[in-house]
Amino acid sequence: DVVMTQSPLSLPVTLGQPASISCKSSQSLVHRDGNTYFIWLHHRPGQSPRRLFYRVSNRDSGVPDRFSGSGSGTDFTLNISRVEAEDVGVYYCMQHTHWPWTFGQGTRVEIK
Amino acid sequence: EVQVVVSGGDLVQPGGSLRLSCATSGFTFSNYWMYWVRQTPGKGLEWVATIKADGSAQYYVDSVKGRFTISRDNAKSSLSLQMNGLRVEDTAVYYCAGYTYWGQGTLVTVSS
Repeated sequence: DVVMTQSPLSLPVTLGQPASISCKSSQSLVHRDGNTYFIWLHHRPGQSPRRLFYRVSNRDSGVPDRFSGSGSGTDFTLNISRVEAEDVGVYYCMQHTHWPWTFGQGTRVEIK
Repeated sequence: EVQVVVSGGDLVQPGGSLRLSCATSGFTFSNYWMYWVRQTPGKGLEWVATIKADGSAQYYVDSVKGRFTISRDNAKSSLSLQMNGLRVEDTAVYYCAGYTYWGQGTLVTVSS
């Protein structure tokens, strides 16, 4: 199975400051069709998870442009340029290139 | 407006059965692969099962193979998960997801 390793697991941030979350996979996520099936999710307590990015860097509708997704192969990053209060919660990466689909452990973002 | 409504979670004894349902509206359900993801208490997300858009193929995590069955009705824009032979370790909140949309989750508790 593809192991997805996120870091850090806990991220205290100051409002208005940038934040960055890393996700590394144990093997390349490039599918034989040339696409990289990798997404970022945001999960607030008591709510459904929300997809932020698909295929690494494609922002979903309604996602603020302070969020950006980047990376390739086995190394991926989610950046928040200026953290806002609504950004708290747990962020997950997930790959759906290989079976079984697998998630990272999650990174908990909280305001200092 | 997009709606993804999950139902069917309950308390069930080990070895018992349960059927989860996911009713959707507001997007073209028949165009998208759909899947179930679960979150065990205090832990992260785990992919459970996926079904292709036309229902022609299903995929499962090893731990539920032979016990769970994912199915869909494109005419009704609905997804189901039939869970048999339930185990204590299947206790989790189950989410239905597809495309960019996630349902609110339903709690399945397996306990004697």
